[in-house]
Amino acid sequence: GAVVSQHPSWVICKSGTSVKIECRSLDFQATTMFWYRQFPKQSLMLMATSNEGSKATYEQGVEKDKFLINHASLTLSTLTVTSAHPEDSSFYICSAISGGREKLFFGSGTQLSVL
Amino acid sequence: AQKVTQAQTEISVVEKEDVTLDCVYETRDTTYYLFWYKQPPSGELVFLIRRNSFDEQNEISGRYSWNFQKSTSSFNFTITASQVVDSAVYFCALRGANDYKLSFGAGTTVTVRA
Repeated sequence: GAVVSQHPSWVICKSGTSVKIECRSLDFQATTMFWYRQFPKQSLMLMATSNEGSKATYEQGVEKDKFLINHASLTLSTLTVTSAHPEDSSFYICSAISGGREKLFFGSGTQLSVL
Repeated sequence: AQKVTQAQTEISVVEKEDVTLDCVYETRDTTYYLFWYKQPPSGELVFLIRRNSFDEQNEISGRYSWNFQKSTSSFNFTITASQVVDSAVYFCALRGANDYKLSFGAGTTVTVRA
């Protein structure tokens, strides 16, 4: 069964609204989570590294004020797309690791469509 | 900087044919990990294999096999006797030993026709 739960699976929103995506580790504590973005027929691009209890580390070119990441507990990281615009429409996927684990677990992804 | 190149954008085969997906990588790390993931139309990433840079043994798992050639920085993946259920996008990925951030290749779309 899934060890990383991502919710929602898909969301449609109006331009200008904010959307929150949750990533939960189900049977382990995830000190670090990662958020990726995937445009249609393209590869996954790392957006940011989310560390429990501290600020996220964003990759170059990713707007931290637009993509708010909160990792308030060892099992939950959230990505909020603020003031979403059609160009933010994409597939967002999270992954999680814990200390001692060598395998990354991915969530099932969230398809965001901004109208 | 790390880079993963999957030169094949799309591959189409008839069921029962073998298909080989190429992956070439660049890294300055002496220790690193290579991965293959499968992404079916539903979108989730399915882990297939992880290979340590110190382990050059080829691996076979059912119809899947992997050929790691450190000398040519390649980590190719072969599906033997392909099936329609193998249709998906396959990603090769790389990370350093001390960094869990994955660098993905562009992906290869495999279509298996009945």
